Amino acid sequence: AQSVTQLDSHVSVSEGTPVLLRCNYSSSYSPSLFWYVQHPNKGLQLLLKYTSAATLVKGINGFEAEFKKSETSFHLTKPSAHMSDAAEYFCVVRPPGAGSYQLTFGKGTKLSVIP
Amino acid sequence: DTAVSQTPKYLVTQMGNDKSIKCEQNLGHDTMYWYKQDSKKFLKIMFSYNNKELIINETVPNRFSPKSPDKAHLNLHINSLELGDSAVYFCASSLSDRQSYEQYFGPGTRLTVT
Repeated sequence: AQSVTQLDSHVSVSEGTPVLLRCNYSSSYSPSLFWYVQHPNKGLQLLLKYTSAATLVKGINGFEAEFKKSETSFHLTKPSAHMSDAAEYFCVVRPPGAGSYQLTFGKGTKLSVIP
Repeated sequence: DTAVSQTPKYLVTQMGNDKSIKCEQNLGHDTMYWYKQDSKKFLKIMFSYNNKELIINETVPNRFSPKSPDKAHLNLHINSLELGDSAVYFCASSLSDRQSYEQYFGPGTRLTVT
């Protein structure tokens, strides 16, 4: 069984300051991990993914995440927040192996950016 | 070019009606999904089809019936709509042959049952 916990339901930062969105996962094997972003009234867009290659993963719009197996974490960071980053962010885990279809979503973290 | 498209974008209907939501993907993927997002933004998978075969069927009322006429389309038909069906429904698609392949999501259909 697998699960994912997003530790903060809401994070608020000032524009130009760093962003940290926390995610912990639970999985019997090494999973694939993803971060998706959902802007208001929009669909989900993939930010980045980890698939057992480099542990530091770079994504779009300056976001990156580091896979830490010892801590079972996959936190999302960005050095400097922009107003356009205000959105809902989802950490997602997928079990290993081709043909593993089922994603498990975290409950989401709403990021607010204060001007 | 739209990768995963859904129609309609908004759907307002009364209790007891029957409605359908259509989904199409032009990515050449072999697997498609339906998700339900509730008012608290929680996403839960409902169904998944791989090469037109049902592979995931979560605990969903049998009023919901997915249909996949071909690999590029997955439609969702809902009978006897209830107030609790109000939500945003997302279609998604992916390739199945590699663990690294992510799912691509459509823009969503906001269903409101009155």
